[in-house]
Amino acid sequence: ETGVTQSPTHLIKTRGQQVTLRCSSQSGHNTVSWYQQALGQGPQFIFQYYREEENGRGNFPPRFSGLQFPNYSSELNVNALELDDSALYLCASSATDSYGYTFGSGTRLTVV
Amino acid sequence: AQSVTQLGSHVSVSEGALVLLRCNYSSSVPPYLFWYVQYPNQGLQLLLKYTTGATLVKGINGFEAEFKKSETSFHLTKPSAHMSDAAEYFCAVSDQGSGGYNKLIFGAGTRLAVHP
Repeated sequence: ETGVTQSPTHLIKTRGQQVTLRCSSQSGHNTVSWYQQALGQGPQFIFQYYREEENGRGNFPPRFSGLQFPNYSSELNVNALELDDSALYLCASSATDSYGYTFGSGTRLTVV
Repeated sequence: AQSVTQLGSHVSVSEGALVLLRCNYSSSVPPYLFWYVQYPNQGLQLLLKYTTGATLVKGINGFEAEFKKSETSFHLTKPSAHMSDAAEYFCAVSDQGSGGYNKLIFGAGTRLAVHP
């Protein structure tokens, strides 16, 4: 049974650029959630995807968007990057109506 | 709205000593509660969770936590600290958004240091 895989592990972007982060969910999991963890803080919920649609969103602007694919993998896209977007982005997969979240190791994004 | 408060951003213990990490929550409905551990440059690993049933929950690596509804607490304990326990620990509470989706609300974390 494979866990949650995220790519890339690290990247550096310039303010104003766009970035795409990727996540492969754990086998048997059909729901993917994304969290942002700023330095020294707990993770904050960005949004969740189920059946290829966004079914819940936290307090993040529309420039944060996502996709889920038929194989349940997911992407997080961030447009018009700002310095405050620098953070660890965590992907978590789960089965329907389950609290059995499995987290990936995260992508460390630095915006300069 | 649900929220989580972790008392003490930093806790330091000696190897072999008791570990106690505090977590208080607020929830308008019976909560599901979680403790996660994060090692440097890694993601979150589930230590234990409370959903229903027995209020004393045992997790991995010798950790346990007790759900106390009257105190709205879910403190994490381990009888004897090991050097490998040094990490960041996060308490989380479940939250259900409009539309029925589930998410976690995390506390700010407690960094545990273990010294010889």
